[in-house]
Amino acid sequence: SQQGEEDPQALSIQEGENATMNCSYKTSINNLQWYRQNSGRGLVHLILIRSNEREKHSGRLRVTLDTSKKSSSLLITASRAADTASYFCASNSGGYQKVTFGTGTKLQVIP
Amino acid sequence: DVKVTQSSRYLVKRTGEKVFLECVQDMDHENMFWYRQDPGLGLRLIYFSYDVKMKEKGDIPEGYSVSREKKERFSLILESASTNQTSMYLCASSLGREPEAFFGQGTRLTVV
Repeated sequence: SQQGEEDPQALSIQEGENATMNCSYKTSINNLQWYRQNSGRGLVHLILIRSNEREKHSGRLRVTLDTSKKSSSLLITASRAADTASYFCASNSGGYQKVTFGTGTKLQVIP
Repeated sequence: DVKVTQSSRYLVKRTGEKVFLECVQDMDHENMFWYRQDPGLGLRLIYFSYDVKMKEKGDIPEGYSVSREKKERFSLILESASTNQTSMYLCASSLGREPEAFFGQGTRLTVV
């Protein structure tokens, strides 16, 4: 089974709306990252939150982490058509090299 | 900027062929990874390497091997390609203990 499970699997919103994606994980973690993947491309790192942090911001991105619930959320505010992509959470729980990815949320932002 | 380059974007191979997927990074990163990505399954780690000539099995190493003779290059080898290895393969690298991974553009492999 996947260490990270995102929900929803797919999300379709209008441009200008906010998009929220959630990630749950099973074991305790050192940090959690969010990545973005444009169709047919590699992943690009967006933001990292450490296990002792509860919230982090970067531009239009807001990430929260609740270690008691083993969950994280990614909020994209004022979405744009260019935000259309798949978003993955990734957690690091043991050896620092080994990062486990979730199944992803496919976001469509309609202009 | 870190650049991770995979040798092919698209590849079509026949069942039973030996297949080499090459990955090169230009930022002197110690760690390199190979993942495969399938719909509904996310990214699954095949192998990783934290130094030259070192390799560690990931979650799904069966049917694959790897080679890291130079720090900048990490090769994934399919000893005898099978149709269930049709997938998107992603290479990544990271620096030391930093968790952020930098990805290549991916190789979409089709085994017929």
